[in-house]
Amino acid sequence: AQTVTQSQPEMSVQEAETVTLSCTYDTSESNYYLFWYKQPPSRQMILVIRQEAYKQQNATENRFSVNFQKAAKSFSLKISDSQLGDTAMYFCASPSNSGNTPLVFGKGTRLSVIA
Amino acid sequence: ETGVTQSPTHLIKTRGQQVTLRCSSQSGHNTVSWYQQALGQGPQFIFQYYREEENGRGNFPPRFSGLQFPNYSSELNVNALELDDSALYLCASSFPPGLGEETQYFGPGTRLLVL
Repeated sequence: AQTVTQSQPEMSVQEAETVTLSCTYDTSESNYYLFWYKQPPSRQMILVIRQEAYKQQNATENRFSVNFQKAAKSFSLKISDSQLGDTAMYFCASPSNSGNTPLVFGKGTRLSVIA
Repeated sequence: ETGVTQSPTHLIKTRGQQVTLRCSSQSGHNTVSWYQQALGQGPQFIFQYYREEENGRGNFPPRFSGLQFPNYSSELNVNALELDDSALYLCASSFPPGLGEETQYFGPGTRLLVL
């Protein structure tokens, strides 16, 4: 079965510091998007950033950036200048090898930002 | 631009009952996907609807069924509820499959508790 692996169940970071969340995936698709979603205690899954696999340049959205290593099938999320509002579950998602499933999610990393 | 909405926000049912959850897609999106998120897990794909037809299904039994309406809104129906059906049910809308832009935008979810 296809898997998305987030090897860090929990992480914590001091406010204003930088933290990196890791993710590996195993899609066999040749052209695809990868996603990081944030789920705060309010439950709504919010898109943080996405990466197009055919682009070599790593995606950046304000304080959020990715380190995309296509050959290694690695897709880590870096959060700079961490803020208290960044406290949430973070999920990595990749396309499925099955054409019938849009996305496969990892089990998530719980990030706590400490004042 | 209107985001994805879901109703109800919370629901309590007993084993054996039936439940209907509702979702309105984000404006401009005609594809709706449903996910089940058990406590402490990532979302699991249930099925997707496009052009009012099921366009892919995850590993869920037939008692999970759905509908999509001409206005692209959707329903998820679960018959013969079991205790393990207790979860957060997430709806996501997107552009049609196959166009290479299938970012999923999520609603706030419906929390279902089966007693």
